Amino acid sequence: EVQLVQSGAEVKKPGESLKISCKDSGDSFSTYWIAWVRQMPGKGLEWMGIIYPGDSDTRYSPSFQGQVTISADKSISTAYLQWGSLKASDTALYYCARLRSWYLVYSYSYAMDVWGQGTTVTVSS
Amino acid sequence: EIVLTQSPGTLSLSPGERATLSCRASQSVSYSSLAWYQQRPGQAPRLLIYGSSSRATGIPDRFSGSGSGTDFTLTINRLEPEDFAVYYCQQYGSSLGTFGQGTKVEIK
Repeated sequence: EVQLVQSGAEVKKPGESLKISCKDSGDSFSTYWIAWVRQMPGKGLEWMGIIYPGDSDTRYSPSFQGQVTISADKSISTAYLQWGSLKASDTALYYCARLRSWYLVYSYSYAMDVWGQGTTVTVSS
Repeated sequence: EIVLTQSPGTLSLSPGERATLSCRASQSVSYSSLAWYQQRPGQAPRLLIYGSSSRATGIPDRFSGSGSGTDFTLTINRLEPEDFAVYYCQQYGSSLGTFGQGTKVEIK
Protein backbone atom coordinates (compact mmCIF):
# COMPACT_ATOMS: atom_id res chain seq x y z
CA GLU A 1 0.00 0.00 0.00
CA VAL A 2 1.40 3.34 -1.03
CA GLN A 3 1.81 5.90 1.72
CA LEU A 4 3.14 9.41 1.54
CA VAL A 5 4.78 10.51 4.77
CA GLN A 6 5.52 14.19 5.18
CA SER A 7 8.05 15.90 7.42
CA GLY A 8 7.00 17.50 10.67
CA ALA A 9 5.62 20.91 11.51
CA GLU A 10 7.90 23.91 11.10
CA VAL A 11 8.00 27.30 12.81
CA LYS A 12 10.11 29.86 11.01
CA LYS A 13 10.79 33.59 10.93
CA PRO A 14 10.16 35.79 7.90
CA GLY A 15 13.10 35.73 5.53
CA GLU A 16 14.27 32.26 6.56
CA SER A 17 14.53 29.38 4.12
CA LEU A 18 12.74 26.05 4.41
CA LYS A 19 12.54 22.69 2.67
CA ILE A 20 9.80 20.20 3.56
CA SER A 21 9.64 16.64 2.36
CA CYS A 22 7.25 13.94 1.24
CA LYS A 23 8.47 10.33 1.24
CA ASP A 24 6.77 7.57 -0.74
CA SER A 25 6.78 4.21 1.04
CA GLY A 26 5.91 2.31 -2.12
CA ASP A 27 8.08 1.11 -4.98
CA SER A 28 6.67 3.12 -7.86
CA PHE A 29 7.71 6.65 -6.90
CA SER A 30 9.32 7.38 -10.26
CA THR A 31 6.22 6.46 -12.24
CA TYR A 32 3.68 8.94 -10.87
CA TRP A 33 3.43 12.69 -10.70
CA ILE A 34 3.51 14.13 -7.18
CA ALA A 35 1.46 17.25 -6.50
CA TRP A 36 1.78 19.89 -3.79
CA VAL A 37 -1.36 21.55 -2.43
CA ARG A 38 -1.62 24.52 -0.06
CA GLN A 39 -4.37 25.09 2.48
CA MET A 40 -4.21 28.42 4.28
CA PRO A 41 -5.83 28.61 7.72
CA GLY A 42 -9.58 28.16 7.43
CA LYS A 43 -9.43 28.23 3.63
CA GLY A 44 -9.74 25.89 0.67
CA LEU A 45 -7.27 23.85 -1.34
CA GLU A 46 -4.86 25.45 -3.80
CA TRP A 47 -2.88 23.62 -6.50
CA MET A 48 0.77 24.61 -6.33
CA GLY A 49 2.47 22.37 -8.85
CA ILE A 50 3.56 18.89 -9.78
CA ILE A 51 6.76 16.95 -10.37
CA TYR A 52 7.49 13.70 -12.19
CA PRO A 53 10.28 12.14 -10.12
CA GLY A 54 11.38 9.90 -12.99
CA ASP A 55 12.90 12.85 -14.83
CA SER A 56 12.18 15.79 -12.47
CA ASP A 57 9.85 17.41 -15.00
CA THR A 58 8.15 20.13 -12.96
CA ARG A 59 5.08 22.25 -13.68
CA TYR A 60 3.98 25.17 -11.51
CA SER A 61 0.66 26.93 -11.08
CA PRO A 62 1.09 30.53 -12.26
CA SER A 63 0.25 31.69 -8.72
CA PHE A 64 3.23 29.84 -7.28
CA GLN A 65 5.77 30.11 -10.10
CA GLY A 66 8.87 31.80 -8.71
CA GLN A 67 7.58 31.63 -5.14
CA VAL A 68 8.53 28.04 -4.35
CA THR A 69 10.71 25.28 -5.75
CA ILE A 70 9.52 21.73 -6.19
CA SER A 71 12.13 18.99 -6.50
CA ALA A 72 12.56 15.26 -6.02
CA ASP A 73 15.23 12.66 -5.30
CA LYS A 74 14.08 9.40 -6.82
CA SER A 75 16.91 7.45 -5.18
CA ILE A 76 15.19 7.95 -1.82
CA SER A 77 11.60 8.25 -3.13
CA THR A 78 11.23 11.75 -1.73
CA ALA A 79 9.72 14.95 -3.10
CA TYR A 80 10.42 18.39 -1.72
CA LEU A 81 8.88 21.82 -1.48
CA GLN A 82 11.16 24.68 -0.62
CA TRP A 83 11.19 28.40 -0.03
CA GLY A 84 14.18 30.69 -0.30
CA SER A 85 12.71 33.49 1.82
CA LEU A 86 9.55 32.83 3.79
CA LYS A 87 6.79 35.37 4.31
CA ALA A 88 4.06 35.45 6.91
CA SER A 89 1.60 34.72 4.11
CA ASP A 90 3.29 31.32 3.58
CA THR A 91 1.73 30.18 6.85
CA ALA A 92 -0.39 27.21 5.82
CA LEU A 93 -0.84 23.46 5.78
CA TYR A 94 0.93 21.86 2.84
CA TYR A 95 -0.04 18.49 1.40
CA CYS A 96 1.69 16.26 -1.09
CA ALA A 97 -0.40 13.83 -3.08
CA ARG A 98 0.05 11.21 -5.78
CA LEU A 99 -1.46 12.19 -9.09
CA ARG A 100 -2.67 8.92 -10.53
CA SER A 101 -4.03 8.30 -14.00
CA TRP A 102 -6.81 6.03 -15.19
CA TYR A 103 -7.60 5.23 -18.80
CA LEU A 104 -11.25 5.97 -19.46
CA VAL A 105 -13.05 5.91 -22.78
CA TYR A 106 -10.70 7.59 -25.26
CA SER A 107 -8.91 9.68 -22.63
CA TYR A 108 -6.94 9.65 -19.43
CA SER A 109 -8.28 10.87 -16.12
CA TYR A 110 -5.96 12.28 -13.48
CA ALA A 111 -6.74 12.72 -9.78
CA MET A 112 -4.95 12.65 -6.45
CA ASP A 113 -5.65 9.28 -4.86
CA VAL A 114 -3.05 9.12 -2.07
CA TRP A 115 -2.33 12.07 0.20
CA GLY A 116 0.31 12.80 2.79
CA GLN A 117 -0.75 13.76 6.29
CA GLY A 118 0.19 17.40 5.72
CA THR A 119 2.96 19.66 7.04
CA THR A 120 2.07 22.79 8.97
CA VAL A 121 4.34 25.73 8.26
CA THR A 122 4.08 28.75 10.55
CA VAL A 123 5.97 31.90 9.68
CA SER A 124 6.00 34.50 12.41
CA SER A 125 8.40 37.03 13.82
CA GLU B 1 -6.59 29.15 -15.96
CA ILE B 2 -9.94 27.43 -15.50
CA VAL B 3 -11.93 28.73 -12.53
CA LEU B 4 -14.27 26.34 -10.72
CA THR B 5 -17.20 27.80 -8.79
CA GLN B 6 -19.00 25.59 -6.29
CA SER B 7 -22.48 26.12 -4.95
CA PRO B 8 -23.93 26.40 -2.47
CA GLY B 9 -21.23 27.51 -0.07
CA THR B 10 -22.94 25.68 2.77
CA LEU B 11 -25.61 22.99 2.66
CA SER B 12 -27.58 22.29 5.85
CA LEU B 13 -29.18 18.86 5.81
CA SER B 14 -30.24 16.08 8.14
CA PRO B 15 -28.85 12.53 8.19
CA GLY B 16 -30.69 10.40 5.65
CA GLU B 17 -31.34 13.28 3.26
CA ARG B 18 -29.83 13.73 -0.18
CA ALA B 19 -27.11 16.31 -0.87
CA THR B 20 -26.64 17.83 -4.30
CA LEU B 21 -23.46 19.83 -4.81
CA SER B 22 -22.70 21.85 -7.93
CA CYS B 23 -19.40 22.71 -9.62
CA ARG B 24 -19.36 25.09 -12.57
CA ALA B 25 -16.28 25.67 -14.75
CA SER B 26 -15.38 28.97 -16.41
CA GLN B 27 -14.86 27.07 -19.67
CA SER B 28 -15.64 23.62 -20.91
CA VAL B 29 -13.55 20.84 -19.37
CA SER B 30 -13.16 17.26 -20.41
CA TYR B 31 -15.36 14.86 -18.44
CA SER B 32 -12.20 12.90 -17.65
CA SER B 33 -10.53 15.81 -15.91
CA LEU B 34 -13.06 16.48 -13.13
CA ALA B 35 -12.66 14.99 -9.64
CA TRP B 36 -14.33 15.39 -6.25
CA TYR B 37 -12.71 15.21 -2.81
CA GLN B 38 -14.03 15.07 0.75
CA GLN B 39 -12.20 16.74 3.62
CA ARG B 40 -13.22 16.07 7.18
CA PRO B 41 -11.98 18.41 9.95
CA GLY B 42 -8.35 17.80 10.78
CA GLN B 43 -7.88 15.29 7.98
CA ALA B 44 -6.26 15.27 4.56
CA PRO B 45 -8.59 15.33 1.57
CA ARG B 46 -9.87 12.00 0.26
CA LEU B 47 -10.58 11.23 -3.37
CA LEU B 48 -14.22 10.34 -3.97
CA ILE B 49 -14.80 10.62 -7.72
CA TYR B 50 -12.51 10.84 -10.76
CA GLY B 51 -13.42 11.20 -14.40
CA SER B 52 -16.62 13.01 -13.33
CA SER B 53 -18.45 9.82 -12.40
CA SER B 54 -16.05 6.99 -11.47
CA ARG B 55 -15.92 6.17 -7.78
CA ALA B 56 -12.47 5.80 -6.24
CA THR B 57 -11.53 2.60 -4.45
CA GLY B 58 -13.54 2.01 -1.30
CA ILE B 59 -16.01 4.84 -1.83
CA PRO B 60 -19.61 3.86 -0.96
CA ASP B 61 -22.14 3.83 -3.77
CA ARG B 62 -24.22 6.53 -2.10
CA PHE B 63 -21.69 8.92 -3.66
CA SER B 64 -22.19 9.61 -7.35
CA GLY B 65 -20.90 12.15 -9.83
CA SER B 66 -22.28 13.41 -13.10
CA GLY B 67 -22.00 16.22 -15.58
CA SER B 68 -20.17 17.43 -18.66
CA GLY B 69 -18.96 20.59 -20.31
CA THR B 70 -19.10 23.28 -17.65
CA ASP B 71 -21.58 21.81 -15.16
CA PHE B 72 -20.84 18.96 -12.80
CA THR B 73 -22.68 17.53 -9.82
CA LEU B 74 -21.80 15.43 -6.79
CA THR B 75 -24.79 13.67 -5.23
CA ILE B 76 -24.71 12.02 -1.82
CA ASN B 77 -27.73 9.82 -1.18
CA ARG B 78 -28.88 9.09 2.36
CA LEU B 79 -26.38 11.20 4.24
CA GLU B 80 -24.49 9.36 6.97
CA PRO B 81 -23.03 11.17 10.02
CA GLU B 82 -19.51 10.79 8.60
CA ASP B 83 -20.51 12.56 5.36
CA PHE B 84 -20.77 15.95 7.02
CA ALA B 85 -17.61 17.56 5.73
CA VAL B 86 -16.28 19.93 3.09
CA TYR B 87 -16.31 18.86 -0.56
CA TYR B 88 -14.08 20.16 -3.32
CA CYS B 89 -14.24 19.74 -7.06
CA GLN B 90 -10.98 19.85 -8.99
CA GLN B 91 -10.02 19.83 -12.63
CA TYR B 92 -6.73 18.90 -14.26
CA GLY B 93 -5.65 19.75 -17.76
CA SER B 94 -2.48 20.84 -19.58
CA SER B 95 -0.43 19.96 -16.49
CA LEU B 96 -2.33 22.47 -14.37
CA GLY B 97 -5.00 21.83 -11.82
CA THR B 98 -7.46 24.06 -10.03
CA PHE B 99 -9.88 23.52 -7.14
CA GLY B 100 -13.28 24.94 -6.44
CA GLN B 101 -13.66 26.91 -3.20
CA GLY B 102 -15.52 24.09 -1.48
CA THR B 103 -19.02 23.30 -0.25
CA LYS B 104 -19.55 22.59 3.42
CA VAL B 105 -22.23 20.00 4.19
CA GLU B 106 -23.35 20.59 7.76
CA ILE B 107 -25.87 18.96 10.04
CA LYS B 108 -29.17 20.82 10.17
